[in-house]
Amino acid sequence: GDSVTQMEGPVTLSEEAFLTINCTYTATGYPSLFWYVQYPGEGLQLLLKATKADDKGSNKGFEATYRKETTSFHLEKGSVQVSDSAVYFCALERGGADGLTFGKGTHLIIQP
Amino acid sequence: GAVVSQHPSWVICKSGTSVKIECRSLDFQATTMFWYRQFPKQSLMLMATSNEGSKATYEQGVEKDKFLINHASLTLSTLTVTSAHPEDSSFYICSARGGHGVQAFFGQGTRLTVV
Repeated sequence: GDSVTQMEGPVTLSEEAFLTINCTYTATGYPSLFWYVQYPGEGLQLLLKATKADDKGSNKGFEATYRKETTSFHLEKGSVQVSDSAVYFCALERGGADGLTFGKGTHLIIQP
Repeated sequence: GAVVSQHPSWVICKSGTSVKIECRSLDFQATTMFWYRQFPKQSLMLMATSNEGSKATYEQGVEKDKFLINHASLTLSTLTVTSAHPEDSSFYICSARGGHGVQAFFGQGTRLTVV
């Protein structure tokens, strides 16, 4: 079945550091790929998405490129802020009517 | 973005009782709603998918008689955990989608503790 693997956390960085959170997936066909963010006490929010190979999703300084050849969708940001501290989930969706398959989540902690 | 409200945000109940969790789409009509369960330090696992007016489709391994899902209107779905036991303690999250291929929005989640 489908699966999503993302790096274990917590990931602790200093403010203005470069961020990479790795995500790889296993799925048949051509899934859509997502990054969701969950701030403390809040629900999941869509951060960015890509629906086909080589697409780049971007939002709030975060980027991820859909790499079919490596089945990856790594999340990057050039300079993180304390406000980026949250749990980040990588996810895939195979069809418009299907639910999402999530990774375990990566807890990101940004220190001033 | 669209708002999905989930209630209650946390609940403690005694073993053997039933608990109902509500999921409402506040500013759009949700033709499809999804229910997920999250164990500590684990990913969200899809439990079931429900379309308005239809019976829910449960994922393999999810007991449909234990986790009753009702999606009677385009803005409300409920998950009832029947005869709850301590192993049902978990974080339950709903999401709602307004149509095929449209972005799904998530509720804040409900922390259920069964004592």
